Amino acid sequence: EAQVTQNPRYLITVTGKKLTVTCSQNMNHEYMSWYRQDPGLGLRQIYYSMNVEVTDKGDVPEGYKVSRKEKRNFPLILESPSPNQTSLYFCASSSRRQSNTEAFFGQGTRLTVV
Amino acid sequence: EDKVVQSPLSLVVHEGDTVTLNCSYEVTNFRSLLWYKQEKKAPTFLFMLTSSGIEKKSGRLSSILDKKELFSILNITATQTGDSAIYLCAVVPQGGSEKLVFGKGTKLTVNP
Repeated sequence: EAQVTQNPRYLITVTGKKLTVTCSQNMNHEYMSWYRQDPGLGLRQIYYSMNVEVTDKGDVPEGYKVSRKEKRNFPLILESPSPNQTSLYFCASSSRRQSNTEAFFGQGTRLTVV
Repeated sequence: EDKVVQSPLSLVVHEGDTVTLNCSYEVTNFRSLLWYKQEKKAPTFLFMLTSSGIEKKSGRLSSILDKKELFSILNITATQTGDSAIYLCAVVPQGGSEKLVFGKGTKLTVNP
């Protein structure tokens, strides 16, 4: 089954404790992205990657890091989480080979930083 | 700066009503517009629109794009409680779907 898998689904952590949210896709997609969703603000892009070893900042990259060492994986790293990073996070992937294609989303990670 | 504006932000209707959700955009080098439905967690894809005036339909849902006036509408006829969700509009700028620009969404509540 074609899917984007995020882990964990829920996470509560303390300020300053480094964490990683994993994302994996099995569709051989070139493009992968991370978004955060907050009430009243909608979905905002954090980082995106157009292929292995190619990443770039989205609209709200501060406080986040990403890496794309393999095509299928795109982890999101919070080196020193703060309460304002409490949010719902989505990973998405899409194909570059199809000129117009939708993005497929993971199930989301609900992060709470206390 | 690329921008997508959805209206209304929230809508409450009764089962059987017809609703129209709006999405307007300002994007450099537009490629396509996507509609998603978000119920509990992950947005699920509904439609992709690339050409003006061509209606996309799926059951009771339909959508159309006007590239001249820079907007799209999503229609839902004979609404059901299962249509309750947040409906998201996103635009794909030239370059590809790695960088979607989302509106804030319309929260639709369908009461029995």
